[in-house]
Amino acid sequence: DAGVIQSPRHEVTEMGQEVTLRCKPISGHDYLFWYRQTMMRGLELLIYFNNNVPIDDSGMPEDRFSAKMPNASFSTLKIQPSEPRDSAVYFCASSLLGGFTDTQYFGPGTRLTVL
Amino acid sequence: AQSVAQPEDQVNVAEGNPLTVKCTYSVSGNPYLFWYVQYPNRGLQFLLKYITGDNLVKGSYGFEAEFNKSQTSFHLKKPSALVSDSALYFCAVRDRISSGSARQLTFGSGTQLTVLP
Repeated sequence: DAGVIQSPRHEVTEMGQEVTLRCKPISGHDYLFWYRQTMMRGLELLIYFNNNVPIDDSGMPEDRFSAKMPNASFSTLKIQPSEPRDSAVYFCASSLLGGFTDTQYFGPGTRLTVL
Repeated sequence: AQSVAQPEDQVNVAEGNPLTVKCTYSVSGNPYLFWYVQYPNRGLQFLLKYITGDNLVKGSYGFEAEFNKSQTSFHLKKPSALVSDSALYFCAVRDRISSGSARQLTFGSGTQLTVLP
């Protein structure tokens, strides 16, 4: 398996622009997670899906952020409009099940820079 | 609520020496504990996890971790460090009695391990 795939790997945009990050989870995994990593706040869970349905989006920082999972093999995280403070590395992860013992597998991340 | 602490931001060790990266946790019930490693410009990679049973867990790349319930710790160890082990290490916890979104992982702040040649 190719693992979790994220695109783009790097994104540089200007403040106010729309940014879309993409993720393909490991085939057969029922859970998908979006995380944000910054120096100040560490690794934060933004939202997660179970069988394409958003379960908890309480970590989404504000309404400018939205996430969708139209099918089992694709998810997007969108920021509109983007702001400099959104600059971070965004990770997607997936797990086979959402159980307590299940391991999450991470993608390589998208490094977002908002100028 | 569940939380995890990694008290050291930075750990330096000479190549060939044993290494320890510390992690302590707080949960209401019993914990499930995980270690991940992050190399520069890469995603987090799973190293090992403690679910139940033997307190000494063996994982990838020669790493192991010891679960200590009385000290609420889950320190990562390796008998002989390699320069290639230099990376950022994350401890994570999940409370066994949690439900819903609280069942998801809580990560520590990370410890940067540098192995000196």
